[in-house]
Amino acid sequence: KQEVTQIPAALSVPEGENLVLNCSFTDSAIYNLQWFRQDPGKGLTSLLLIQSSQREQTSGRLNASLDKSSGRSTLYIAASQPGDSATYLCAVKAGANSKLTFGKGITLSVRP
Amino acid sequence: NAGVTQTPKFRVLKTGQSMTLLCAQDMNHEYMYWYRQDPGMGLRLIHYSVGEGTTAKGEVPDGYNVSRLKKQNFLLGLESAAPSQTSVYFCASTQLDTQYFGPGTRLTVL
Repeated sequence: KQEVTQIPAALSVPEGENLVLNCSFTDSAIYNLQWFRQDPGKGLTSLLLIQSSQREQTSGRLNASLDKSSGRSTLYIAASQPGDSATYLCAVKAGANSKLTFGKGITLSVRP
Repeated sequence: NAGVTQTPKFRVLKTGQSMTLLCAQDMNHEYMYWYRQDPGMGLRLIHYSVGEGTTAKGEVPDGYNVSRLKKQNFLLGLESAAPSQTSVYFCASTQLDTQYFGPGTRLTVL
């Protein structure tokens, strides 16, 4: 059974810092991996989707990398801002028609 | 383009009452999902649908029923609510691997 782990559960950094959020998964045979953002009391918003054949994806100040062999993905946030404060979840998919398995998320607080 | 919408946003039920949560999407997506999110448990899949007229069980289906009579709507029903069903419920739809989530329904069962 696939398990997705995100450690630490919470992180607090000063504004302007570059930071890395980690995601690990137990079964390396994945179809794709997705990073989401969730603001308090809101739904999830997809940030980046990495297919199994890809090593990384970039969107603005966000860069997500994927290393299937080691069962790891990282979300890099450059020059963090208070508006980046949210919970970040990663999720993996085993196959094209499989369900997503979610990590429990990392709650990020960026201090002004 | 409203994306994925959910009604109601909040609801309080007494044990044993029934209710239906409505999810609607205007993106013509085939796949739709119902999740629940609980503190310390993360997101768990309740039921899903791969197209109009189809439904399938997810990870935690007990106590819930679903229907997908129209492609754009996915309904989640609780026939006899229990306090253990107190949670935040999210609907999502998928096209080309990206999942789009609704804003959620916060349900409290007393």
